[in-house]
Amino acid sequence: ETGVTQSPTHLIKTRGQQVTLRCSSQSGHNTVSWYQQALGQGPQFIFQYYREEENGRGNFPPRFSGLQFPNYSSELNVNALELDDSALYLCASSLNSYGYTFGSGTRLTVV
Amino acid sequence: KNEVEQSPQNLTAQEGEFITINCSYSVGISALHWLQQHPGGGIVSLFMLSSGKKKHGRLIATINIQEKHSSLHITASHPRDSAVYICAVTNTDKLIFGTGTRLQVFP
Repeated sequence: ETGVTQSPTHLIKTRGQQVTLRCSSQSGHNTVSWYQQALGQGPQFIFQYYREEENGRGNFPPRFSGLQFPNYSSELNVNALELDDSALYLCASSLNSYGYTFGSGTRLTVV
Repeated sequence: KNEVEQSPQNLTAQEGEFITINCSYSVGISALHWLQQHPGGGIVSLFMLSSGKKKHGRLIATINIQEKHSSLHITASHPRDSAVYICAVTNTDKLIFGTGTRLQVFP
């Protein structure tokens, strides 16, 4: 079985730019959730997609948006990047929010 | 106050020592997860618990639902156990994470 793959692994962007991060879900999983992990902190829930619909959102502004595709892969889009958006972005897939498989993360640096 | 609290934040041990990491939570949960994060950032799921105790190799996880508390034990610790251990709970289909315990095991 395939795991969860995130791309790119590292990314440097300038303040004000837009970024798209990608995540492939594990085979057989239908739910993808995204997390932001600042340095030295635990991950914070951004949002979750279930069967292509957003079905939960954390305390993040609307400039954080996402998509889930029919093959259950997902994208996280962040517009108008701010310096505080610099973090490790993790995605996890699951089957109906049961038993999570995590990707290795995308480290985003905003300068 | 965080909904998921871990202690200690940092832990140093000599190889072979028995290690305990604690997690307390204040929300309703359907499951509790123990995760391991290495310096590269990737997270590996160690255990998912909803009651009782689970064991995998040298790792043991327990949960007390009434007390809203869980512990992760590592027996005969080894330098390769050095990592950040994170407790997370499933609450209304989303994960809430603790801030992690950084463990360093020295030879």
